[in-house]
Amino acid sequence: KQEVTQIPAALSVPEGENLVLNCSFTDSAIYNLQWFRQDPGKGLTSLLLIQSSQREQTSGRLNASLDKSSGRSTLYIAASQPGDSATYLCALTSGTYKYIFGTGTRLKVLA
Amino acid sequence: KAGVTQTPRYLIKTRGQQVTLSCSPISGHRSVSWYQQTPGQGLQFLFEYFSETQRNKGNFPGRFSGRQFSNSRSEMNVSTLELGDSALYLCASALGTSTDTQYFGPGTRLTVL
Repeated sequence: KQEVTQIPAALSVPEGENLVLNCSFTDSAIYNLQWFRQDPGKGLTSLLLIQSSQREQTSGRLNASLDKSSGRSTLYIAASQPGDSATYLCALTSGTYKYIFGTGTRLKVLA
Repeated sequence: KAGVTQTPRYLIKTRGQQVTLSCSPISGHRSVSWYQQTPGQGLQFLFEYFSETQRNKGNFPGRFSGRQFSNSRSEMNVSTLELGDSALYLCASALGTSTDTQYFGPGTRLTVL
């Protein structure tokens, strides 16, 4: 059974710091992995989608990598800003088209 | 292009009642998935519809059901509501293949009293 874990569960950093969020999964047979952010009480905003054949994707200050052999994905946020404060979720599609979500990392960037 | 819309945004019901939630996907998207989000369980997959057919189903009781119409709009129904059904219900749409990006709506906040 596929399990997705995100560490740390919560993170507080000063503005300007570069940071890495981790996502681990137990079964490497995935179609893709997607990173989302969720603001309190709101829906999910897609950040980056990595197909299983890709190693990384970049968008602005965000970079996501995928290593299927080790069951890991990382989301790198450069020069963090208070507006980056949110919960970050990874989700993967495995087997039968359904998304399995990680536990989330709650990020707070202090001004 | 308009995003995914969900109605209503907020709903209060009492135990034993039933509820219907609606989701309108992005134009051209044929897949609609539903998720339940609670503080204790996180985001859990309910079911996915593609071209009016249920393609996948999560581990939820039969009280949770859904359907998709020919215009790809989808409804989710929960019968005999329980207190534990209080949650944020999110729907997401995608073009329909396994490699597509999913786009989420703002969610419906259901409170069961």
